[in-house]
Amino acid sequence: DSGVTQTPKHLITATGQRVTLRCSPRSGDLSVYWYQQSLDQGLQFLIHYYNGEERAKGNILERFSAQQFPDLHSELNLSSLELGDSALYFCASSQKRASGELFFGEGSRLTVL
Amino acid sequence: QQQVKQSPQSLIVQKGGISIINCAYENTAFDYFPWYQQFPGKGPALLIAIRPDVSEKKEGRFTISFNKSAKQFSLHIMDSQPGDSATYFCAAWHNAGNMLTFGGGTRLMVKP
Repeated sequence: DSGVTQTPKHLITATGQRVTLRCSPRSGDLSVYWYQQSLDQGLQFLIHYYNGEERAKGNILERFSAQQFPDLHSELNLSSLELGDSALYFCASSQKRASGELFFGEGSRLTVL
Repeated sequence: QQQVKQSPQSLIVQKGGISIINCAYENTAFDYFPWYQQFPGKGPALLIAIRPDVSEKKEGRFTISFNKSAKQFSLHIMDSQPGDSATYFCAAWHNAGNMLTFGGGTRLMVKP
């Protein structure tokens, strides 16, 4: 158990809808990262927050947004969903502002029908 | 733009054999190179990592070899076991960019 909690574990929705994925980092970790893992696509970096502030942004679609709250939990919002958004979404946390040592949750599997 | 290239995509090794996974990177600003192990239904977990000022790092049966001039690094799993069957990802950390870039992954199967 990495200590990173993601909810929901599974989510099925329809095209055009909006969903929110939630992540609680390990106790004491200030950095939260979001990654998308599609079939045969590897892990694609979406966004990084440190102590509430956005630190880096990857190939995140404009339909996607994220934030980190004062209690350090983070939410990834996906809107106007398309079939191609079906994927595993991972949250990871780290204690440091800049570190390659990430602790991943077990992911939220999103299926868009 | 794939900044970290990983090969092979899949690998089958007999129990007791050596598993070798290779990665190459382009950006010389990368300054930390971890490997992650992912089992089905789980998130990736940090396995072993190396900094570019070191040519080799060994932890148990897992060894990273690093060639800075060639911009390549590899993971060697000695005495591979069926329990090692998983997907392995190499990655590279860009300190200024504040992001960890992953290779495409290698699905390892160790046959008993």
